[in-house]
Amino acid sequence: DTGVSQNPRHKITKRGQNVTFRCDPISEHNRLYWYRQTLGQGPEFLTYFQNEAQLEKSRLLSDRFSAERPKGSFSTLEIQRTEQGDSAMYLCASSLGQDHEKLLFGSGTQLSVL
Amino acid sequence: GESVGLHLPTLSVQEGDNSIINCAYSNSASDYFIWYKQESGKGPQFIIDIRSNMDKRQGQRVTVLLNKTVKHLSLQIAATQPGDSAVYFCAENRAAGNKLTFGGGTRVLVKP
Repeated sequence: DTGVSQNPRHKITKRGQNVTFRCDPISEHNRLYWYRQTLGQGPEFLTYFQNEAQLEKSRLLSDRFSAERPKGSFSTLEIQRTEQGDSAMYLCASSLGQDHEKLLFGSGTQLSVL
Repeated sequence: GESVGLHLPTLSVQEGDNSIINCAYSNSASDYFIWYKQESGKGPQFIIDIRSNMDKRQGQRVTVLLNKTVKHLSLQIAATQPGDSAVYFCAENRAAGNKLTFGGGTRVLVKP
């Protein structure tokens, strides 16, 4: 494993378009998290999965956002009808259980909504 | 105009000196605290953690201090090196929670 992989690294889209990001976690990690980070701020929790089950969602995750982890491995985060306020870095992280020392973040997908 | 979010607190430190980064947390129910380092274009990287039943923990060149009375956390970096230049975030894990709540970051600039 080379770490948590996120694709694409950058995405530029027009307002109103749908976008989908992918995260490939460390293979043996059962927990997968999505965070959002705007410039100069700390990451904000969006949602997390334990295996394929989505166990918690933030109020930040409006109905335009949906995340899936169908086989308990990779995950996708889709944003429908993007708005300029969605512009941010979307970070994925994975861990084995609640061991935050082993929580590894990917390098993120930078979304710019024009 | 400029975004307020761009005005990260910045600590400029001479190479070889010690650095101290401070963080205030909000929830007295938090039981676990972590310091992360984030370099440009990368995700946060774990540095050191501390549980609420401790007030000090040391790692390699780093020490975290926790003052629960005033809800304050600090990270001390000994003999700061150019590779320590990054943005540092504290994060808290609230009791019975599974998510981290990050504080605002501090940019550390190491001058050669």
